[in-house]
Amino acid sequence: DTGVSQDPRHKITKRGQNVTFRCDPISEHNRLYWYRQTLGQGPEFLTYFQNEAQLEKSRLLSDRFSAERPKGSFSTLEIQRTEQGDSAMYLCASSPGTGADTEAFFGQGTRLTVV
Amino acid sequence: DQQVKQNSPSLSVQEGRISILNCDYTNSMFDYFLWYKKYPAEGPTFLISISSIKDKNEDGRFTVFLNKSAKHLSLHIVPSQPGDSAVYFCAAIDETSYDKVIFGPGTSLSVIP
Repeated sequence: DTGVSQDPRHKITKRGQNVTFRCDPISEHNRLYWYRQTLGQGPEFLTYFQNEAQLEKSRLLSDRFSAERPKGSFSTLEIQRTEQGDSAMYLCASSPGTGADTEAFFGQGTRLTVV
Repeated sequence: DQQVKQNSPSLSVQEGRISILNCDYTNSMFDYFLWYKKYPAEGPTFLISISSIKDKNEDGRFTVFLNKSAKHLSLHIVPSQPGDSAVYFCAAIDETSYDKVIFGPGTSLSVIP
């Protein structure tokens, strides 16, 4: 296990379709985050899991977005009825959860294009 | 309301010279700061961090300075190399909210050979 893995790397979908992304964190990390990055902006926080519990959701996460982390391992992010404004890079990150003084490790991201 | 600001969207530096990237933050509760580096089509990669109890942290060619009273930090890269060309994000950890990372908008650094 060399890092955070995200699948797929790229996704093109038609408006109105549903999409699902997967994130496999570093195996011993119990904290998992989802971020979204659009052009010219830094990554914006979407949601956070501590093990299998989803503890925080950003206001950016509309009702069309849902995330899960069954068994506290991998996580999925689903977007229903995609809109063109959903086009972005979706980043997953994990951290050991041993305190604030540790950095989050990011995956390579999934680039979503809604046409 | 942007809590972490990077007012320079881009910076160009000659190879071998010093690169200085600046960052300001507004939330006085932030206690831990990080710099991430990002290449196109890749996720951010951690570069260097600093705790608020320090005013300087050095790692090889990279040094981060923190002025807590001014809510300002900077990243110095010396000497700059062409491989340093990337987008650099200043970030802070929000300890009041599950230690999530709050990012600035980034500064695109170009190191010219």
